[in-house]
Amino acid sequence: GQSLEQPSEVTAVEGAIVQINCTYQTSGFYGLSWYQQHDGGAPTFLSYNALDGLEETGRFSSFLSRSDSYGYLLLQELQMKDSASYFCAVRARYSTLTFGKGTMLLVSP
Amino acid sequence: DGGITQSPKYLFRKEGQNVTLSCEQNLNHDAMYWYRQDPGQGLRLIYYSQIVNDFQKGDIAEGYSVSREKKESFPLTVTSAQKNPTAFYLCASSIMGTGGFGGELFFGEGSRLTVL
Repeated sequence: GQSLEQPSEVTAVEGAIVQINCTYQTSGFYGLSWYQQHDGGAPTFLSYNALDGLEETGRFSSFLSRSDSYGYLLLQELQMKDSASYFCAVRARYSTLTFGKGTMLLVSP
Repeated sequence: DGGITQSPKYLFRKEGQNVTLSCEQNLNHDAMYWYRQDPGQGLRLIYYSQIVNDFQKGDIAEGYSVSREKKESFPLTVTSAQKNPTAFYLCASSIMGTGGFGGELFFGEGSRLTVL
């Protein structure tokens, strides 16, 4: 099976940079995804890393180290609207996505 | 616009009653999924289907049933056998069988079920 660990809560101020870490244990690893979910809403896809390194999409970047079974989501120039839950999810061979328990990001003025 | 439609958004049920949650997609995706979300628990997979007339149990299938008679539709029935059905239920779809190309799932807005 798969397991993922991510912090339950992270706080930051507007304009700052925050990093949300995710460690995983899995066999047949394909890649790591990140999703954003505002309270009571639908999760939306942010990024997917299959190879080591950093992927940048606007203010958001995602990093993967396959050898360390570790990834992170980096949010820059934080805005109040970034307050949400962020889930990492691992994709493995012969398996559907497995989600972590989520990290609640609280952005304050 | 293409997307996933779940209904109803809110549902109340008495103990002992079965309820069916609707999920329809017009994205022409092959795979569809049902997740359950509880506070602090993340998303847990109930059932998934990679093709019409076929579906597989996820991690927490007990007390639930599904059908996949059409590509566009994947309804979930919460039966009276589900011991703790109060939760937020999310339907999703993807273009490939197990998580989609690039791992992208498209989610509906969810159905919140409360058992009275």
